[in-house]
Amino acid sequence: DAGVIQSPRHEVTEMGQEVTLRCKPISGHDYLFWYRQTMMRGLELLIYFNNNVPIDDSGMPEDRFSAKMPNASFSTLKIQPSEPRDSAVYFCASSIPGSNQPQHFGDGTRLSIL
Amino acid sequence: GNSVTQMEGPVTLSEEAFLTINCTYTATGYPSLFWYVQYPGEGLQLLLKATKADDKGSNKGFEATYRKETTSFHLEKGSVQVSDSAVYFCALLDTGRRALTFGSGTRLQVQP
Repeated sequence: DAGVIQSPRHEVTEMGQEVTLRCKPISGHDYLFWYRQTMMRGLELLIYFNNNVPIDDSGMPEDRFSAKMPNASFSTLKIQPSEPRDSAVYFCASSIPGSNQPQHFGDGTRLSIL
Repeated sequence: GNSVTQMEGPVTLSEEAFLTINCTYTATGYPSLFWYVQYPGEGLQLLLKATKADDKGSNKGFEATYRKETTSFHLEKGSVQVSDSAVYFCALLDTGRRALTFGSGTRLQVQP
């Protein structure tokens, strides 16, 4: 079975540009999570969805960040406009229902904002 | 709120040495506990888990026991290999909030 698929793997863009990160969760997984990893702050949850509905977006840094899940097999995380401090590795993860079910992670998108 | 504290790294060991990476947690309720491993340039992979007190998770020679009395979930391996070099993350999953709370990660370097 294919794992969580993220694209692109690497993104380099200039400050002020719009950035869109994409994620395809594992088929049958009802939960989808977006995390950000930086040296300073470690791994932080940005937002998560259950059955395509955003449940907790309290980790989204500010209005420049938005996330959507139009269907069960696709989600996007958008940053507009991007800033150098957004540079990080962004991970998508998915899981099946159940309070003790592990999350399965994609390989991440390494984002660099110049 | 929830939190996870891991020992600072890097941890540098020789091949076949014994490994312990300490992890303690603070949580309301009865969380599930996980260890994830991250190899360079890759995402996090689940290494093992434990869902209730006294459970022992194990995988690939790694073990960790859920100790409620000491709120700990220390990772151990009897004999490390060079291929175990990676960053290890301890994490908890609150039954109320679906998202994982991660520790800061511990880098392990195993030398031949």
